[in-house]
Amino acid sequence: DTAVSQTPKYLVTQMGNDKSIKCEQNLGHDTMYWYKQDSKKFLKIMFSYNNKELIINETVPNRFSPKSPDKAHLNLHINSLELGDSAVYFCASSQARPSYEQYFGPGTRLTVT
Amino acid sequence: SQKIEQNSEALNIQEGKTATLTCNYTNYSPAYLQWYRQDPGRGPVFLLLIRENEKEKRKERLKVTFDTTLKQSLFHITASQPADSATYLCALGGSQGNLIFGKGTKLSVKP
Repeated sequence: DTAVSQTPKYLVTQMGNDKSIKCEQNLGHDTMYWYKQDSKKFLKIMFSYNNKELIINETVPNRFSPKSPDKAHLNLHINSLELGDSAVYFCASSQARPSYEQYFGPGTRLTVT
Repeated sequence: SQKIEQNSEALNIQEGKTATLTCNYTNYSPAYLQWYRQDPGRGPVFLLLIRENEKEKRKERLKVTFDTTLKQSLFHITASQPADSATYLCALGGSQGNLIFGKGTKLSVKP
């Protein structure tokens, strides 16, 4: 069984469009995260949710809006996509903070043309 | 601002040798440090965690050290194998449970 899954795996879209990436974890974890990995392979935290409550909101444009319908799901909605949004987006989950290891999904490669 | 550096972008070694990867950080006092492995096209996979009050941690062929005075962690893979070829990421534990990742070191083990 897949522990952390993301859909879609690949997403190609044009500038100005709105898109969503879905994430689900079946590990029973309380905390979920979104990371962005850019072309230089630098992995950076975007958001963190604990029991559906937003914990971390790094300096991310407000075009990015996470939504957690329940603690097993954390979706990422992106409005008015820009070229610079092209990257691989990873969802992750962990047990209660802090210091527990994080389990990452397979990533969603977003390409904005 | 916080800065985390992994000493080299790429490391090439011969099979059977010990690979040593370095992670240095500044302007930060992490409560813990983690190492992850990332293969091309996949998400990072957790390997080891070491806390600030621990000097060394081992798991099979892996060993991690943590020197809070030097602000450095070393990651060792003994008896390396071609299957160990991957990018290894160092991550500092953030104050809110988030992780601050280094850019990674791409390890290539040649047969």
